Amino acid sequence: DAKTTQPTSMDCAEGRAANLPCNHSTISGNEYVYWYRQIHSQGPQYIIHGLKNNETNEMASLIITEDRKSSTLILPHATLRDTAVYYCIVRPHLYSSASKIIFGSGTRLSIRP
Amino acid sequence: GAVVSQHPSWVICKSGTSVKIECRSLDFQATTMFWYRQFPKQSLMLMATSNEGSKATYEQGVEKDKFLINHASLTLSTLTVTSAHPEDSSFYICSATGQSTDTQYFGPGTRLTVL
Repeated sequence: DAKTTQPTSMDCAEGRAANLPCNHSTISGNEYVYWYRQIHSQGPQYIIHGLKNNETNEMASLIITEDRKSSTLILPHATLRDTAVYYCIVRPHLYSSASKIIFGSGTRLSIRP
Repeated sequence: GAVVSQHPSWVICKSGTSVKIECRSLDFQATTMFWYRQFPKQSLMLMATSNEGSKATYEQGVEKDKFLINHASLTLSTLTVTSAHPEDSSFYICSATGQSTDTQYFGPGTRLTVL
C-alpha cells in the first residue's frame, strides 16, 4: 500500500470548515483514497472514499488533486463531536486480494468552542 | 453504513485464563473479517485477516497459537486470547467487509484488561 503523510494535529473553531490534508505521492493507479476517523475509545468510523473525482456525502467532502498525489478531507461545519483522530489511507479497490487496511498515525483534530 | 458489533465491550480477567471476543456483522454477510489491536496513544495494528471457512492469515509477529481466530459463519468471527497475560491488555477491534458493502466497517472495540 502507498504511504500517506498527515499532520500530527490540527485544531479548528466550532462552526468553521475543517480541512485535513493528506499526501500520498506514491499512490498507484488502482489505489483509492479512504478516510476514517476514530473518536476516543471507539472503533474507527468510515467517512468517505474516492479514486480521482471529488466526492461528497452527508459527513464530508473529499477533494483529490488532479495528479492524485494529495487530497483534502473537508468537514464543512465542524462541531465538538468531530474531535477525533482522522486517518487517510490509500489501498486497492475493496474486492482486491490486498484489501486490508494499514493505519498510519493520523491527524488528531481538536474542535474548539 | 453497515453495522458491526462486538461482545463483550470490556472484560477483566486473571492472568493465565483465556478470553473470547465475538465480532458480528448485523446487516450483511461478512466474507472477510479483520482483527486489530490498539495500545494507548497508538494507532491500530492489524493482527490477522480471516475469510469465512478458511484459516486466518496472521501478520508478522502475531502468534497464531496465542490469538485463535475462528470465522465459521458469514456473520460471526471470534478471537480467543489464550493464556492471557498483562501485556495482552489492549483495545481489540474487528472490522468486516462483504460483497454487498463498499468498504470495511468496524466494530466498537473490546477493552481487555488482564490482571
